[in-house]
Amino acid sequence: QKEVEQNSGPLSVPEGAIASLNCTYSDRGSQSFFWYRQYSGKSPELIMSIYSNGDKEDGRFTAQLNKASQYVSLLIRDSQPSDSATYLCAVNSYSSASKIIFGSGTRLSIRP
Amino acid sequence: GAGVSQTPSNKVTEKGKYVELRCDPISGHTALYWYRQSLGQGPEFLIYFQGTGAADDSGLPNDRFFAVRPEGSVSTLKIQRTERGDSAVYLCASSLRGVGEDTQYFGPGTRLTVL
Repeated sequence: QKEVEQNSGPLSVPEGAIASLNCTYSDRGSQSFFWYRQYSGKSPELIMSIYSNGDKEDGRFTAQLNKASQYVSLLIRDSQPSDSATYLCAVNSYSSASKIIFGSGTRLSIRP
Repeated sequence: GAGVSQTPSNKVTEKGKYVELRCDPISGHTALYWYRQSLGQGPEFLIYFQGTGAADDSGLPNDRFFAVRPEGSVSTLKIQRTERGDSAVYLCASSLRGVGEDTQYFGPGTRLTVL
């Protein structure tokens, strides 16, 4: 089992709709959870971080964390073509808190 | 201020050669990370520095890979006897303190191609 699992996609969502991205992780001791966006040929950039169970909202983005189910999700409301990118879920390692384990990413495509 | 910078942006080398990749972190950031990203994959952790010391090098794939950060700022990733399988984008990131909640800021990466 991979440490951080994501559906590779591509996930195609019409413009203006809600995009829902999901991630599961295996290390039950993980404390910090991140969503990064990566445009093709560019480096990852942090868009959301979440540390406690529940929802965290920032503009059009909402991160959801359920530690009991070892599940993290990202919702993007009012999807825009500029949201088309690969979204990487990342989780810190319990054994080494500063070590971040990334999933392989979900490709999101927003169709006009 | 400037972000994380990496040089060179592209490096093409021949199998068996030695390469050095450089990372300049954000000024004042004590933590520095190296990752490797292959096509279609997420970044793979290689090594993490806190100041001058390697706090976690568990991701280095074998003893051909070595990294230093002698003055706690600039870091160099060194790869000896390169192999074709080393071809990837090597990403550097830095964060302010290196604690779990810290945001890691990534550089643009060095694309290494081993022929």
